[in-house]
Amino acid sequence: EMVMTQSPGTLSVSPGQRVTLSCRASQSVGSNLAWYQQKPGQVPRLLIYGASTRATGFPARFSGSGSGTEFILTISSLQSEDSAVYYCQQYNDWPWTFGPGTKVEIK
Amino acid sequence: EVQLLESGGGLVQPGGSLRLSCAASGFTFSAYVMTWVRQAPGKGLEWVSSISGTGDNIYYADSVKGRFSISRDNSKNKLFLQMNSLRVEDTAVYYCATPKYIGTGYFDYWGQGTLISVSS
Repeated sequence: EMVMTQSPGTLSVSPGQRVTLSCRASQSVGSNLAWYQQKPGQVPRLLIYGASTRATGFPARFSGSGSGTEFILTISSLQSEDSAVYYCQQYNDWPWTFGPGTKVEIK
Repeated sequence: EVQLLESGGGLVQPGGSLRLSCAASGFTFSAYVMTWVRQAPGKGLEWVSSISGTGDNIYYADSVKGRFSISRDNSKNKLFLQMNSLRVEDTAVYYCATPKYIGTGYFDYWGQGTLISVSS
């Protein structure tokens, strides 16, 4: 089974700062990697798919990069509304798997 | 507009059974892989099971294999999850989810979820 790891577990960042979240796969997933944003009490929301394509409704400050086993989600200038847990998910091999998530807090 | 509406959640004792349903609308249901994803209280997302559009291909997480059974009724645009031999660790919100584009494995659309509590 493909194991997804994310780091760090929690991040506390000031508004306006750049944020970099990491997602690693135990085997290559090509570009079959998605990111989701989940705010407290809300349903997860697709943020990035195909490792780097931003989903509808998200601003350009969110970007994804990487391929194979190493992936990065970048928030170029953190806003207060970006406080959430961010999950990566691989859909290259069955079983599809999620990472444990990174919680982004606003300082 | 795509809508996914889960139902069937509730409180059940360990060892018990429950059947979840997901009513879908706003898209060609039979063309899409449908998936159940769960989230235990305060925990992360866990992929549970997926079923192809025809129902011919089915996949399960190891944690539920042999206990859960996914199915679909394309004539009624409904997805199901039969959960048997429930354990305390199955307690979670269960979401049904589907992609926007046929053949992709990420989830553009999610239901609001239904809560399963397994407790004596």
